[in-house]
Formats: sequence, structure tokens, C-alpha cells
Amino acid sequence: QQQVKQSPQSLIVQKGGISIINCAYENTAFDYFPWYQQFPGKGPALLIAIRPDVSEKKEGRFTISFNKSAKQFSLHIMDSQPGDSATYFCAATGRRALTFGSGTRLQVQP
Amino acid sequence: DSGVTQTPKHLITATGQRVTLRCSPRSGDLSVYWYQQSLDQGLQFLIQYYNGEERAKGNILERFSAQQFPDLHSELNLSSLELGDSALYFCASSSEGNEQFFGPGTRLTVL
Repeated sequence: QQQVKQSPQSLIVQKGGISIINCAYENTAFDYFPWYQQFPGKGPALLIAIRPDVSEKKEGRFTISFNKSAKQFSLHIMDSQPGDSATYFCAATGRRALTFGSGTRLQVQP
Repeated sequence: DSGVTQTPKHLITATGQRVTLRCSPRSGDLSVYWYQQSLDQGLQFLIQYYNGEERAKGNILERFSAQQFPDLHSELNLSSLELGDSALYFCASSSEGNEQFFGPGTRLTVL
């Protein structure tokens, strides 16, 4: 019940395109859903986060869409750039430790 | 830079040995979390400390232990090391909210 499922495992997008990563959770006690970006050799960096009382949150080119009834949330990266090439992790928590998805390796081709 | 520091950056040791990983949280953060990142298991929560007290435990092996000191830095002790313990170990810190900020990690290689 603690699992967070993430897809796709890898994604190749052309520069300027939209990258979409999806996650689904099972535990209805989760009430905070962050996305992390990780570059090789670095720690995960908090990118954007949402709580279930809103359906969408936008920060710059990054948008989280949240569907509480379906227990799904997704990250949209608009106007994807080569510098966005990294591994993205969704996560969820209900006041304690983060439960992470398995990660999506994004490659943005110039 | 998240403000969380970890030392050492790399650690190479042999099976059966014991190592200590150190983490200093962001200024003012009372919570420290330890996570293990491996290729087959992904990012997994090990243990959380809050203001010196153990708050939550995840998939932490009995060979592993941690503590948080009065100055709020934390140490993760790994003993009787096995090849499968080779991984990246991250600590993260947070204040009263849910936001967790990760350090740069320690890469442990067990030979």
C-alpha cells in the first residue's frame, strides 16, 4: 500500500517539446506529492510539489497535474531543454518519509 | 546547493568492515532522514531522526544504525558490510513541513 508507480522508465523528447511523466499511488493517507530532479553524481533536488487540495500547480516550465479520485499525478515539462536531461522521481508522503517512484530518465535531444 | 552536507563523498572498503557516514542538516532543520539509492531498489527510506530522537524506521537492516547528536548532525553506521551494501547513501533534512532537501550523497563501494 506504500508503493508509488512511475512511468515511463525512460523518455526521449526533442528540444522544445513537452515531457510528461506519470505516477500513481495507493495510500490515501499521502497528502504531499513532490517531484525531484537528479543529475548524475548529485543528490535529488526538489523541483515542485503539490497537495491534494489543488488539481494543478505551475512553476515556470514545470506543471504538476493531480487527480485525487484516480490517485494519479503527473509532471509536465513545457519547452523541454537539453539542460532538463536528468532523472526525475515522483514521491509521496503522509507526514513522514518519502516513498519514491522508480524514476524516469529524460533525455532532451537538441 | 541544498545546504545539507555529507561526508565523505566516496568510500571504498572491504566486506566485513564498518563505516560511518556523516550528515549535517540545513541550518534550523530538526529532522534528518537517511535514504539508500541502488540500481535495483531505487531510493529507499532507511531511518528518520527528529531533534535527537528516532522518529521513524524504514527498510533499515539490523547491521545498520544511526544517531543524531545535540548539534543536530547525524551519523549512519554500517557494519559487517556486504557487496550488496554498495550504493549511494543520501541524507535529507526538513523543518516542520514536508519539504525535504537532500545532500550530495556518499557513494559506498564494498569490495
